[in-house]
Amino acid sequence: AQKITQTQPGMFVQEKEAVTLDCTYDTSDQSYGLFWYKQPSSGEMIFLIYQGSYDEQNATEGRYSLNFQKARKSANLVISASQLGDSAMYFCAMREGTSSARQLTFGSGTQLTVLP
Amino acid sequence: EAGVVQSPRYKIIEKKQPVAFWCNPISGHNTLYWYRQNLGQGPELLIRYENEEAVDDSQLPKDRFSAERLKGVDSTLKIQPAELGDSAVYLCASSPPMLAVTDTQYFGPGTRLTVL
Repeated sequence: AQKITQTQPGMFVQEKEAVTLDCTYDTSDQSYGLFWYKQPSSGEMIFLIYQGSYDEQNATEGRYSLNFQKARKSANLVISASQLGDSAMYFCAMREGTSSARQLTFGSGTQLTVLP
Repeated sequence: EAGVVQSPRYKIIEKKQPVAFWCNPISGHNTLYWYRQNLGQGPELLIRYENEEAVDDSQLPKDRFSAERLKGVDSTLKIQPAELGDSAVYLCASSPPMLAVTDTQYFGPGTRLTVL
């Protein structure tokens, strides 16, 4: 089974509007971390925001916020006031706390296009 | 602080040729990761180093892929011989010691390999 599922291959949003990128995850661990990365066409993975499984408050970082619904196992990224520079691939990833690998498991990504 | 450095950024080779990628992690980061990212997908871990030791190489195709991190700093990933299906972006990432479940990895810009 997929551990990270991103069901939106592509999304369009008008400049200055908000957009939500979906992410659902699957784990039996109680301790885990959820991450969002942005990958522009240049290729580098840029860390945006994280949410710990025990965090009671939704994470926020500037225009990025994470809508964490633990019971539904979802961790959607909300980008407010979209800018043209937000056009990129966005990846949701998870690290499971009991995994000795400490590796990140990524979803397949969502291509976001911000329209002027 | 300098980020993760990778070279070359782009490489085009013919099948059956060898190729090597180089990575210099962030200073002080003892954990180094090599990921492969196929077109339209998220990165997948190939190998993880803790200092000089390869502690997770279960996803590395050992018949043609090899990696080394001789002094626990720089790392080289090699493919010999390359196949058409090896065309992908190869990402290097690093993380500091005592990584908590909510700590992120830091990625380099990647090497985009095209095998003709």
